[in-house]
Formats: sequence, structure tokens, C-alpha cells
Amino acid sequence: GAVVSQHPSRVICKSGTSVKIECRSLDFQATTMFWYRQFPKQSLMLMATSNEGSKATYEQGVEKDKFLINHASLTLSTLTVTSAHPEDSSFYICSARDPRNRALGGYEQYFGPGTRLTVT
Amino acid sequence: GDSVTQMEGPVTLSEEAFLTINCTYTATGYPSLFWYVQYPGEGLQLLLKATKADDKGSNKGFEATYRKETTSFHLEKGSVQVSDSAVYFCALSEAGGTSYGKLTFGQGTILTVHP
Repeated sequence: GAVVSQHPSRVICKSGTSVKIECRSLDFQATTMFWYRQFPKQSLMLMATSNEGSKATYEQGVEKDKFLINHASLTLSTLTVTSAHPEDSSFYICSARDPRNRALGGYEQYFGPGTRLTVT
Repeated sequence: GDSVTQMEGPVTLSEEAFLTINCTYTATGYPSLFWYVQYPGEGLQLLLKATKADDKGSNKGFEATYRKETTSFHLEKGSVQVSDSAVYFCALSEAGGTSYGKLTFGQGTILTVHP
């Protein structure tokens, strides 16, 4: 199946700094990628939809100036957490939609392994 | 808006026991339904899916039937193994409109299987 990678897998940063997380589709081109946030023992919350070559679409309540998303190529989307604070500590997961396997209800999504962000 | 509700965990079973994880949903349209599994330290993987009413998805001994009348998509397995220990997520995706292709997840159910 299709593979999605994320880098880094873990990052610890100081409050006030910015952190960039990369999401790559390794063996397919993804025009659409999604960014999720997962709190401990809770579900995944969709943060934004990233479309190659255009601006990301953010879900209600997600600050677009704080969580900057760039989808510069068909295989790479980045999430930058700007001026991070301890409350931004979370598990961030990306997924990519594989247009080769279109099914009713949308293309199948493949998930990255996630990035654990800890802000001290 | 759309929502998915799963039975609360954690669920702890002995090997070879029968598993049921309940999932119900609310949606405005005709969604596709999914079960995803997250093994420790790994990303989510699609376990099975169903795209219309009365469809049965199955994979690795797991099954779930799309029940439109009860808006449910319960996950079942006849005999669980220790290797099935993971977090299971029920999810839906709308077929059209502005929510096209977006996944809405349930809260996840932790399953632990003991030898």
C-alpha cells in the first residue's frame, strides 16, 4: 500500500520557538493532505486540509496564523507551529489522499506515523 | 454536523474471546464508513470499509456491517489474538458537498488482549 512518512517523529522545543513538521507521500502524488491533532486518549481532530499549490482550508477554531501549512509539491506538506506554547504539545498526524484508489466517499487516505511535539 | 460515537474503552479480553466494538454515527448524507486501527507507535491503518447500506466490510477476521436503519457499524471478531491489541477508530466520510473526502473519527477504543 501507499506509504506516508513524517519527520521528525518526536520534537521538544522551548516556548516561543517555531517547529516545522514534514509530511511526505513516498510512492504516490498527493494533491490533498490532511493534518490532524490527537490529544492523549482522545480522537483525531482535523485541523486543516492542505491542497497542493493553493491555500490550506482550516477547520473552525484552528488558528491559521499559528499553524502554518505549506503544500509546495505533490509529495510534501509542512505544518509549522509558530510561537509554540505548552498547550500546543500534542501528537500531530498527517494523511495523504491517494488519487489512484478512488472510492465512493472520497479517495482512500493513508496516514503518517505521527509527530510527538512537547513544548517546555 | 457529522459525528461518530464509539463504545468507551478500554476493552480487555482473553485470547480467543469474541470482540464487539460498537459504533454509531450521525450524518446528513450517505457516508462511507471505516474502521481504522492504530498499533502502538504506528500510524493509522485502514482495517475495513463499507460504502453503502447493508455492505459488509471484512479483513483479518474482523467484520462490520453498514446498518442504515440503526446508523451503526459495529466491529466484530470471532476470536481475538494478542496481536490485535491496538486502538480502533470508527470513522465516516461524506460522499459529496463541502465535506467530500473528509474523515470524521470516533473517540477510539483501546483493546488489550491477554494470552
